[in-house]
Amino acid sequence: GQQLNQSPQSMFIQEGEDVSMNCTSSSIFNTWLWYKQDPGEGPVLLIALYKAGELTSNGRLTAQFGITRKDSFLNISASIPSDVGIYFCAGPNNAGNMLTFGGGTRLMVKP
Amino acid sequence: NAGVTQTPKFQVLKTGQSMTLQCAQDMNHEYMSWYRQDPGMGLRLIHYSVGAGITDQGEVPNGYNVSRSTTEDFPLRLLSAAPSQTSVYFCASSYSPGANVLTFGAGSRLTVL
Repeated sequence: GQQLNQSPQSMFIQEGEDVSMNCTSSSIFNTWLWYKQDPGEGPVLLIALYKAGELTSNGRLTAQFGITRKDSFLNISASIPSDVGIYFCAGPNNAGNMLTFGGGTRLMVKP
Repeated sequence: NAGVTQTPKFQVLKTGQSMTLQCAQDMNHEYMSWYRQDPGMGLRLIHYSVGAGITDQGEVPNGYNVSRSTTEDFPLRLLSAAPSQTSVYFCASSYSPGANVLTFGAGSRLTVL
């Protein structure tokens, strides 16, 4: 099946720093999604990308759909304590009935 | 609007016991799914349903059963619990079988001794 590899697995940063994380696959995806999971909660969709090369922002978050369609990137600018959580990339299979998730990037922010 | 409701939130089982994790959504979503979350492995799809009466297997279906008799409910049954099924389980739904924009429940933490 399709596999998504996320890096880094975890990050411990100072409040105010910028954050970059990425997701790669050996398969082509037509959609890339980024979810965030707060501690003790289910994941929530942050950004959806539908076109190769697309760059989309949601507040301090910016995500890009790689031009090869095999990778995607998420950047967080000026991190704050509430950015703490696990960030997942995800992509649907060709039939569109199953969503595959990456292993997640755990972000910790020091005030 | 309650969204996706999962019960119970916590459960401890002994090896060999059976149980059902409940999932209900009030958004009239056609697509529903169950994932398990294990450390470092992200979320793995167990079973999914594209509508009432239709279910299919995901990536890790062994040891689990599902049914979808109504649009609202999608229970997950563990037939004979094993320690390898210790995990956090998430139910998620979507307005379309496109499965892209999932709404997740808060999760059910299961421990099998």
